Amino acid sequence: EVQLVESGGGLVQPGESLRLSCEASGFTFTNHWMHWVRQAPGKGLVWVSHIDGDGIATNYAGSVKGRFTMSRDNAKNTIYLQMDSLRVEDTGVYYCTKEAGSLEIWGQGAMVTVSS
Amino acid sequence: QAGLTQPPSVSRDLRQTATLTCIGDSNTVGNQGAAWLQQHQGHPPKLLSYRNNNRPSGISERFSASRSGNTASLTITGLQPEDEADYYCSAWDSSLSAWVFGGGTKLTVL
Repeated sequence: EVQLVESGGGLVQPGESLRLSCEASGFTFTNHWMHWVRQAPGKGLVWVSHIDGDGIATNYAGSVKGRFTMSRDNAKNTIYLQMDSLRVEDTGVYYCTKEAGSLEIWGQGAMVTVSS
Repeated sequence: QAGLTQPPSVSRDLRQTATLTCIGDSNTVGNQGAAWLQQHQGHPPKLLSYRNNNRPSGISERFSASRSGNTASLTITGLQPEDEADYYCSAWDSSLSAWVFGGGTKLTVL
């Protein structure tokens, strides 16, 4: 069974950092680009970042560029999202997703709350 | 970042047909087509179709997608109470090298 499990969410103050992890299972991890998508409370889906199968190519939404860093450890079937200089508007559920022609499989999400 | 345009809400009667629309441009829907996701309250999104009308295994044939130019559509036939959810379209934006989403359509089954 294909599965994505996020972890690392929590409550932080503005300006602080947090690292999310997403462990994958049930498929050949290195064959797939992986993505982070977030959803603010009561709002829609917003793409955040992606990384290619080798972990070499990354891209970020303009709102997080320079503050967030996505990486992957293929030996551990895990992707990461290092989030620095967090802002109140970064609050939301962060989903990791597997790409296969589309954003095919989604994890359950990790809640990130940025509040003073 | 640029996004796709969806109507905020659609209401239809039980057992009727609903068609949801998604407007993009030549870099998004008009390029590689659109995918459709269903999200029930408190749950992650679930892929319903991709590249216009490819359904993942386990997705009901009541869900069918199509595209005309830069506009994608999702048609749901024989509406059931469990179809009440938020529906998002998504597409790869070749100019941004990023996925973009519509704002979502809340489908109410009366």
